[in-house]
Amino acid sequence: GAVVSQHPSRVICKSGTSVKIECRSLDFQATTMFWYRQFPKKSLMLMATSNEGSKATYEQGVEKDKFLINHASLTLSTLTVTSAHPEDSSFYICSASGGDPPGAQHFGDGTRLSIL
Amino acid sequence: AQKVTQAQTEISVVEKEDVTLDCVYETRDTTYYLFWYKQPPSGELVFLIRRNSFDEQNEISGRYSWNFQKSTSSFNFTITASQVVDSAVYFCALSDPSGSARQLTFGSGTQLTVLP
Repeated sequence: GAVVSQHPSRVICKSGTSVKIECRSLDFQATTMFWYRQFPKKSLMLMATSNEGSKATYEQGVEKDKFLINHASLTLSTLTVTSAHPEDSSFYICSASGGDPPGAQHFGDGTRLSIL
Repeated sequence: AQKVTQAQTEISVVEKEDVTLDCVYETRDTTYYLFWYKQPPSGELVFLIRRNSFDEQNEISGRYSWNFQKSTSSFNFTITASQVVDSAVYFCALSDPSGSARQLTFGSGTQLTVLP
């Protein structure tokens, strides 16, 4: 149980393109979803926390107009990187809590975004 | 403020050796959760364990064991008889119990390489 699916796993696109990443909890209802960014050989950096039906809470320094987060249902959250540029290239990982055990975050497989 | 320190950046061992990954944390909360996650080269984060701050019993799961010492604010992870498949980055994390969203504070990770 507590499976989180993230798509796509890899995206390569031109500068200026907007990219949408989906995060789904497959076998539990995710009351809260989290979006992280990870640079090579670095730890995970929390970007934002999203609760179903409400606006996401962004961490300091994260541009909310750049990284649009929508949490429309208890099983789906999306991150849209708008007008992506090469500096947005990174590994993005979502996680969801609400499964078992309580308090644990379960992670998707990540999306490797490369902006040319 | 919460902080997780994984002082070991990289560790290399030969297969079948035992290896301990250190984790030291700081928090002012009396109730919190501690976690270990594994990130293999493919990128996904795999949940390994959650430990409640009130439960100081050590835990063993197959070749994995965890030593929680509240007196020294440590939550160390030992792999017995390591295998090549154990090669990965291991993250220790601490949860923030405030509010309904349990945000995680991650350590910087320890890259474990198990050589054949």
